[in-house]
Amino acid sequence: KQEVTQIPAALSVPEGENLVLNCSFTDSAIYNLQWFRQDPGKGLTSLLLIQSSQREQTSGRLNASLDKSSGRSTLYIAASQPGDSATYLCAVSTSYGKLTFGQGTILTVHP
Amino acid sequence: GAGVSQSPSNKVTEKGKDVELRCDPISGHTALYWYRQSLGQGLEFLIYFQGNSAPDKSGLPSDRFSAERTGGSVSTLTIQRTQQEDSAVYLCASSLEAEIAGGPDTQYFGPGTRLTVL
Repeated sequence: KQEVTQIPAALSVPEGENLVLNCSFTDSAIYNLQWFRQDPGKGLTSLLLIQSSQREQTSGRLNASLDKSSGRSTLYIAASQPGDSATYLCAVSTSYGKLTFGQGTILTVHP
Repeated sequence: GAGVSQSPSNKVTEKGKDVELRCDPISGHTALYWYRQSLGQGLEFLIYFQGNSAPDKSGLPSDRFSAERTGGSVSTLTIQRTQQEDSAVYLCASSLEAEIAGGPDTQYFGPGTRLTVL
């Protein structure tokens, strides 16, 4: 059974810092890995999707890497801003239709 | 175009009652997914539809839970005889197809329905 773990569970940083969120998964037979953002009372917004054949994806200040063999991914956020405050979720796809999520990292960026 | 919509946004019910949650996918999306997000369990897969059929319903926690999709569009998730442990946010997502270019398609999520069972 696929299990996804995210570390840390919560993170508080001052504005402007670069930060790294970690995700690990137990079954390396994945199709892809996605990072989502969730704001309170809202649905999930997809940030980056990395196919199993890829090593990283970048979007603006976000960079996600994937090491499938070791079952790890990191989300790097550069020059953090208060608007980045949210819960960040990592999810892997091991079969069509089904995403397995981690518990999330609650990020707070204070001015 | 409009995103995934869900109704109601909030539902409070008494233990033992039945509830129906509705999901309207993005127009043209053939695949639809239901997930549940609760404090103790995180975000869990429940069921997904490709068209009107459900190839994977492995996440439904008990036979009190059922879902249907008609006309390849709107889906309803029904919970019978609700229990307090059913309290959670129920999220729906849709994608153009379940599979695209040899892999799963990107899922787009709705805002969720918060269910509270008293």
